[in-house]
Amino acid sequence: DAGITQSPRHKVTETGTPVTLRCHQTENHRYMYWYRQDPGHGLRLIHYSYGVKDTDKGEVSDGYSVSRSKTEDFLLTLESATSSQTSVYFCAITGTSGVVSTDTQYFGPGTRLTVL
Amino acid sequence: AQSVTQLGSHVSVSEGALVLLRCNYSSSVPPYLFWYVQYPNQGLQLLLKYTSAATLVKGINGFEAEFKKSETSFHLTKPSAHMSDAAEYFCAVSDHNQGGKLIFGQGTELSVKP
Repeated sequence: DAGITQSPRHKVTETGTPVTLRCHQTENHRYMYWYRQDPGHGLRLIHYSYGVKDTDKGEVSDGYSVSRSKTEDFLLTLESATSSQTSVYFCAITGTSGVVSTDTQYFGPGTRLTVL
Repeated sequence: AQSVTQLGSHVSVSEGALVLLRCNYSSSVPPYLFWYVQYPNQGLQLLLKYTSAATLVKGINGFEAEFKKSETSFHLTKPSAHMSDAAEYFCAVSDHNQGGKLIFGQGTELSVKP
């Protein structure tokens, strides 16, 4: 299994509070991704990173921010959580071939977030 | 823009029967295509992938998929279902020129009856 951990694995919070989810990898891979999984929608990309301090928006980035100060860590922050952000969040990593990412994405175990 | 459609959110088969999970994609560039499996309360595990080599791709656990460009399809099959195949299956497409971002289908939940 790829060395990816996510923390916390479960979290319950209240509307309006800030929340930070952490993804940690031990593979030294360049690319990291945050997805959310909701019934009927599959997984949707929130943000991704293609290197330290290099990030970009995905399909559903509103209400989320990310940071990557080290290769191994990719943080996802909900500045002010809303009930619509109740979801399961997955981190993924992938390696590179040359300058593009062509390899398989490997997924972490997920974080189940409930916003009351 | 790329997109993926999985036909059927739920598929039920009997143990020993053929498994067929359908996936159609839309892409303006030659795609990379993936099938992932998710067991309850777990992350996603790669079953197989197509990256412009052989059109018939074999994966783990006896699954295979065939890339058909003319039909823009990448259906997943397994000749004989096992109880342990019960899970949710996701088809995904990647534009390998855009940071390898994956676009997922909605998922198909496979049930296997004894």
